[in-house]
Amino acid sequence: DAGVIQSPRHEVTEMGQEVTLRCKPISGHNSLFWYRQTMMRGLELLIYFNNNVPIDDSGMPEDRFSAKMPNASFSTLKIQPSEPRDSAVYFCASTLRGNYGYTFGSGTRLTVV
Amino acid sequence: GNSVTQMEGPVTLSEEAFLTINCTYTATGYPSLFWYVQYPGEGLQLLLKATKADDKGSNKGFEATYRKETTSFHLEKGSVQVSDSAVYFCALPGSNAGNMLTFGGGTRLMVKP
Repeated sequence: DAGVIQSPRHEVTEMGQEVTLRCKPISGHNSLFWYRQTMMRGLELLIYFNNNVPIDDSGMPEDRFSAKMPNASFSTLKIQPSEPRDSAVYFCASTLRGNYGYTFGSGTRLTVV
Repeated sequence: GNSVTQMEGPVTLSEEAFLTINCTYTATGYPSLFWYVQYPGEGLQLLLKATKADDKGSNKGFEATYRKETTSFHLEKGSVQVSDSAVYFCALPGSNAGNMLTFGGGTRLMVKP
């Protein structure tokens, strides 16, 4: 298996632009998680899905952030409009069961200028 | 709910020194326990896990023993290398239904030649 695949690896955008991050989980995994990592705040859970349904989005910082999972093999995290404080590394992870642990993607490093 | 506390870093060691990174947990029952490692510029990777009390997880020379008496899962390595420089995260399943993991704040390890 190719693991959890995220794209793009790096994204540089101007403030106010829309940004879309993509994730392909491991085939057969039924839970998907989006995290944000910064030096100041560490690793933060933004949202997670079970069987393509959003279960907990309490970590989404504000309405500018939205996430979708239209099918079991694809998810997006969208920021519109983007702001410089959104600059961070965004990780996607998937699992079949929590007791098995997660598999993380390599992350998308987002820079908003 | 379930939670985990790990020692703050950074931890700075010389090559071949002995490593201990402390992790204690609070949990309902006896969930699986995990250590993840994040190398610079990469996503988190599962380093080792233990699924029940008194189990010892091991990988790449690292070990951790699931101790229910002290509610601990300390990470140890007998002789660290420069290549072990990374951030280490302790984790366990959340107490809510579903597949969530709860992560500690991470401990940065720096190994000097």
